[in-house]
Amino acid sequence: NAGVTQTPKFQVLKTGQSMTLQCAQDMNHEYMSWYRQDPGMGLRLIHYSVGAGITDQGEVPNGYNVSRSTTEDFPLRLLSAAPSQTSVYFCATHLQGSGETQYFGPGTRLLVL
Amino acid sequence: KQEVTQIPAALSVPEGENLVLNCSFTDSAIYNLQWFRQDPGKGLTSLLLIQSSQREQTSGRLNASLDKSSGRSTLYIAASQPGDSATYLCAVPGGGGFKTIFGAGTRLFVKA
Repeated sequence: NAGVTQTPKFQVLKTGQSMTLQCAQDMNHEYMSWYRQDPGMGLRLIHYSVGAGITDQGEVPNGYNVSRSTTEDFPLRLLSAAPSQTSVYFCATHLQGSGETQYFGPGTRLLVL
Repeated sequence: KQEVTQIPAALSVPEGENLVLNCSFTDSAIYNLQWFRQDPGKGLTSLLLIQSSQREQTSGRLNASLDKSSGRSTLYIAASQPGDSATYLCAVPGGGGFKTIFGAGTRLFVKA
């Protein structure tokens, strides 16, 4: 039982490049979400999904796309990387809504030059 | 719009001291509050989840209280240990029922 896994752990991109951050969970949780964490700003919600085929925008969605084709996977795509997207990205899952405990992945550190 | 504030931003204490971390929120219409721990370079680990009907929750040396009317929560750590050194974040449900709003965290350092 791996819980929530994220790949890669660290990535360096040049401005304008695209990439996909992977998130997978084996807990059969319906709810999954992506956050970014920046110094002094806490975690901010980028996108979330309440089940396969259903996604919605969070607080800071611009520049990111998501899809949810299976319960297990919730990839985050950066369309054209910008230095402002330098951050640590966390994927999280819940069993139900935000009233339940969230389980976080180990994070992906992204540096955009 | 819900906002969550944590004070202090950083705290350094000697081993064995009891300490309190503070969390305040602007919209008291919440149905729960969570406290998380984050170790450097790691993800978040849930410590305690307090439902709105509860006033406190305890786990080992940790005790979290919730006062919805005043928009405040505290995390009490008894007999602190160097292993408690981490960043502690509180979080409440945001608008729309699904979103979670996090505070910026309190970075705790317990000196041996």
